[in-house]
Amino acid sequence: AQSVTQLGSHVSVSEGALVLLRCNYSSSVPPYLFWYVQYPNQGLQLLLKYTSAATLVKGINGFEAEFKKSETSFHLTKPSAHMSDAAEYFCAVTRAGYSTLTFGKGTMLLVSP
Amino acid sequence: EAQVTQNPRYLITVTGKKLTVTCSQNMNHEYMSWYRQDPGLGLRQIYYSMNVEVTDKGDVPEGYKVSRKEKRNFPLILESPSPNQTSLYFCASGGLAGEEQFFGPGTRLTVL
Repeated sequence: AQSVTQLGSHVSVSEGALVLLRCNYSSSVPPYLFWYVQYPNQGLQLLLKYTSAATLVKGINGFEAEFKKSETSFHLTKPSAHMSDAAEYFCAVTRAGYSTLTFGKGTMLLVSP
Repeated sequence: EAQVTQNPRYLITVTGKKLTVTCSQNMNHEYMSWYRQDPGLGLRQIYYSMNVEVTDKGDVPEGYKVSRKEKRNFPLILESPSPNQTSLYFCASGGLAGEEQFFGPGTRLTVL
């Protein structure tokens, strides 16, 4: 079975500060990992994905994530937060040849001026 | 434009009154899925479908039905809704083999 743990249901940063959202996964086989973002009253939008190629993955809106097998982590970062980054972020896992995603419980990112 | 559409976007109903939430995708995806989102619980899968006439239970299937008669459509049916099914529902579609899933805009359901 696969699972995802997102540390921190809420993360607060100031505009211009580093954003770090944590995701740890559990998988008995090599995982495929995703970060999705949900803006208020909208569906989920893919930020980036890891599918066993480069371990440092760059996504949209300046976000990136690094796959660390030894730490079973896939943390999401952005060097400088913008007010428009305020949203809920979900980490998800699946595996090769399999379509069902297992989601973490989400982290709400709050950005203050 | 590639998209997943859901209808209705908002629905208020009463206990026991059957309802259907429609989902349609125009990307020719084999895989479709329904999730419910509740505060503090993230997204939990209700049902999924790998192709036409192939459906299977997710993590929280009780009280729901689905059908996949056409590749593009995957309706969610609540035959006798109860208040504990008040939630935000998302339909998603994607390719097989771990590809990205595309999400609809969501349906906010309230069961009184």
